[in-house]
Amino acid sequence: QKEVEQNSGPLSVPEGAIASLNCTYSDRGSQSFFWYRQYSGKSPELIMFIYSNGDKEDGRFTAQLNKASQYVSLLIRDSQPSDSATYLCAVHTGNQFYFGTGTSLTVIP
Amino acid sequence: EPEVTQTPSHQVTQMGQEVILRCVPISNHLYFYWYRQILGQKVEFLVSFYNNEISEKSEIFDDQFSVERPDGSNFTLKIRSTKLEDSAMYFCASSEVMGDRAYTFGSGTRLTVV
Repeated sequence: QKEVEQNSGPLSVPEGAIASLNCTYSDRGSQSFFWYRQYSGKSPELIMFIYSNGDKEDGRFTAQLNKASQYVSLLIRDSQPSDSATYLCAVHTGNQFYFGTGTSLTVIP
Repeated sequence: EPEVTQTPSHQVTQMGQEVILRCVPISNHLYFYWYRQILGQKVEFLVSFYNNEISEKSEIFDDQFSVERPDGSNFTLKIRSTKLEDSAMYFCASSEVMGDRAYTFGSGTRLTVV
């Protein structure tokens, strides 16, 4: 059974702060990792993907991957109220995604 | 930006009835998928479809479910004899290539079985 675990939160941060979201996965053979944002009642939208160990930055977002620890994280710098959403960690194995349950983030103005 | 279109956005059906959820994938995409998300739970894989046949399916995707690409544009999910526990958001997705690439998800169909 391939598991993707996330702290469900809720995580609250003040506007302008750094939000840190964490995810662990069980399948050591997984090769690609994704972060999706999902607003209530809406479909997941891709924020970032990462394949290699280390950090990958895209604007205010940084994804971090540590395959040895089977750990992937997402940092959101200068958090904005519009970042308030549920963040889904997804691991791609075979031809399907395995999603975590998501972490609910609230950015307080 | 190209979109995956799903219709209807909300479907209410009586238990035991059949429903068909429709999706129009992005035109140059070759791989198609259905996922579902029960309220408050994780997004779960149902099925992937390529070259007019199922390439992978989950344990959820039992004989109650079927998929079809009836023409060059639509991709449908049929649920026969719906049960209360089939109530969920159903997301269609498509991708240009197979493998470790991100999908484009549709906006979803909220299915409510009463």
